[in-house]
Amino acid sequence: AQSVAQPEDQVNVAEGNPLTVKCTYSVSGNPYLFWYVQYPNRGLQFLLKYITGDNLVKGSYGFEAEFNKSQTSFHLKKPSALVSDSALYFCAVRDRSGNQFYFGTGTSLTVIP
Amino acid sequence: EPEVTQTPSHQVTQMGQEVILRCVPISNHLYFYWYRQILGQKVEFLVSFYNNEISEKSEIFDDQFSVERPDGSNFTLKIRSTKLEDSAMYFCASRSGTGGSYEQYFGPGTRLTVT
Repeated sequence: AQSVAQPEDQVNVAEGNPLTVKCTYSVSGNPYLFWYVQYPNRGLQFLLKYITGDNLVKGSYGFEAEFNKSQTSFHLKKPSALVSDSALYFCAVRDRSGNQFYFGTGTSLTVIP
Repeated sequence: EPEVTQTPSHQVTQMGQEVILRCVPISNHLYFYWYRQILGQKVEFLVSFYNNEISEKSEIFDDQFSVERPDGSNFTLKIRSTKLEDSAMYFCASRSGTGGSYEQYFGPGTRLTVT
């Protein structure tokens, strides 16, 4: 069965420091992987995706993520955190034959000024 | 930039009542979805819709639920007889389906409270 794990409910990081939000997945076959961000009272906003090709993918707002097949991980990263990055981050996976997304439980990121 | 919109933002209803949640997907998108998120839990898939029919549905999407695309712009989720456990945030999403796009674009959600 497909599933996504975000092991950290909460991540705190100082402004200007690098940030990492972790995601591991379980899916049959090769996955499609996504990161979304949710600000208060807003919907899920697409950040980036891995479909195929280069394992390091770049997305919106300076975020990037690295697909690691051997570790079945897709961690979200940013070299220098901003206070405005504080939000709820969701990792999602879709298998190549299906249609639905499977979401993690979300990680709340707080960037401390 | 085009967005998925949803109305209402908050719906309060009594147990046993019917509710209709409305969504306007991004125009020219071909795939439509409903997800829900019970407070404190993960976002869960309900149903996907393509070419005027359901293409996939989860175990949550039982006979109490139905979806419809009544015209060229709206996509609705109906719950016939609401239960307390239907209280959740309901998200609509759409996907282009062309040009190798895979990401889904989500609306802001409708918070459904069943009392």
